[in-house]
Amino acid sequence: DQQVKQNSPSLSVQEGRISILNCDYTNSMFDYFLWYKKYPAEGPTFLISISSIKDKNEDGRFTVFLNKSAKHLSLHIVPSQPGDSAVYFCAASGMVQGAQKLVFGQGTRLTINP
Amino acid sequence: GAGVSQSPRYKVAKRGQDVALRCDPISGHVSLFWYQQALGQGPEFLTYFQNEAQLDKSGLPSDRFFAERPEGSVSTLKIQRTQQEDSAVYLCASSPGSVNYGYTFGSGTRLTVV
Repeated sequence: DQQVKQNSPSLSVQEGRISILNCDYTNSMFDYFLWYKKYPAEGPTFLISISSIKDKNEDGRFTVFLNKSAKHLSLHIVPSQPGDSAVYFCAASGMVQGAQKLVFGQGTRLTINP
Repeated sequence: GAGVSQSPRYKVAKRGQDVALRCDPISGHVSLFWYQQALGQGPEFLTYFQNEAQLDKSGLPSDRFFAERPEGSVSTLKIQRTQQEDSAVYLCASSPGSVNYGYTFGSGTRLTVV
């Protein structure tokens, strides 16, 4: 039972363009969502988060959008840079899961082409 | 230390062997988590400590898996009688408090059972 899904295993974007990574979830009790970035042989690094009471959170080149009715969130990176090439995981938490536990998606490998 | 430190980085175990994986969290971080990441998948929750108390071990896949954090700092994940399906990257993460801080992961231990 995959509660958090990232349906695109990979995405290729030209440098300078916008990268859009998508994530869907099934559990309506999730109330906090996070994006992590992972380079090879390193642990995931926290990128940006959003509470379910908001629909948008922005931090520099990174913006996360949340559509609760569709149970969908997305991460926008603009402009995309070569250093953004990595695997991106979305994650969700909520009281039904235990407040301290995150449920991760399968990840999307983003490649930024020069 | 400056980050979450895990050792060893790589471990090859013969099937049936016991292994112990170590995690050194960020100094002062109250919360500590263990996750298991299979190839091509997102991290999956194993267990959670708040100081020395193990508050959630619902993700441990079998009674062969055991985790401890006796003094509220360093943690050890022990796997007894390893099986091939235990092959994965084991990630440790720590947080000063709520998951909303986006906890910090270590680089992981890659366990290969042969």
